[in-house]
Amino acid sequence: AQTVTQSQPEMSVQEAETVTLSCTYDTSESDYYLFWYKQPPSRQMILVIRQEAYKQQNATENRFSVNFQKAAKSFSLKISDSQLGDAAMYFCAYRSQGGSEKLVFGKGTKLTVNP
Amino acid sequence: EAEVAQSPRYKITEKSQAVAFWCDPISGHATLYWYRQILGQGPELLVQFQDESVVDDSQLPKDRFSAERLKGVDSTLKIQPAELGDSAMYLCASSYTRDHGYTFGSGTRLTVV
Repeated sequence: AQTVTQSQPEMSVQEAETVTLSCTYDTSESDYYLFWYKQPPSRQMILVIRQEAYKQQNATENRFSVNFQKAAKSFSLKISDSQLGDAAMYFCAYRSQGGSEKLVFGKGTKLTVNP
Repeated sequence: EAEVAQSPRYKITEKSQAVAFWCDPISGHATLYWYRQILGQGPELLVQFQDESVVDDSQLPKDRFSAERLKGVDSTLKIQPAELGDSAMYLCASSYTRDHGYTFGSGTRLTVV
């Protein structure tokens, strides 16, 4: 079974600075998807960024980018120019390419953005 | 922008009572998921529907939980009887195809007292 580990329960960053959230995963599969989801307090979970394992190029979405290291099974999220609205729980998630479509989540990292 | 609707938003129930949650996915989304998120943890899949059929309910505690999606549109998740350990956020999500990402609803926060 796949597992996802987020080793940083909490992180903080100053507004306008850069922060990196860590995620590692364990799988025996070669094809899969990785995701970062953001869950603001009392609000719905939204997709931040997605990476297909077969793609070597790291995904980027505006201020959000990932560092995908397939051999190391590492998938970190970098947030540049942090904004107050980035404060939230961030979840790393894994999904198989075939078979089950379920997402396997890590325990999350709570990000605080200080003004 | 289309949303996944869930109700109620909050629910407080006594131990041993029955409780039900409702989810209306985005129109046209064939796949519907119910996740449970215990405080301080990531969500875990309870049940997945493809249209009206259950695809995965391996983590659903079937002695007390049931889920249905009779017409392949909206869905109901029921707990009977509720236990203290069922206190959690219950999230519904839907997707158009497996190559598309999930859209999550705002969730139902259940407190069992």
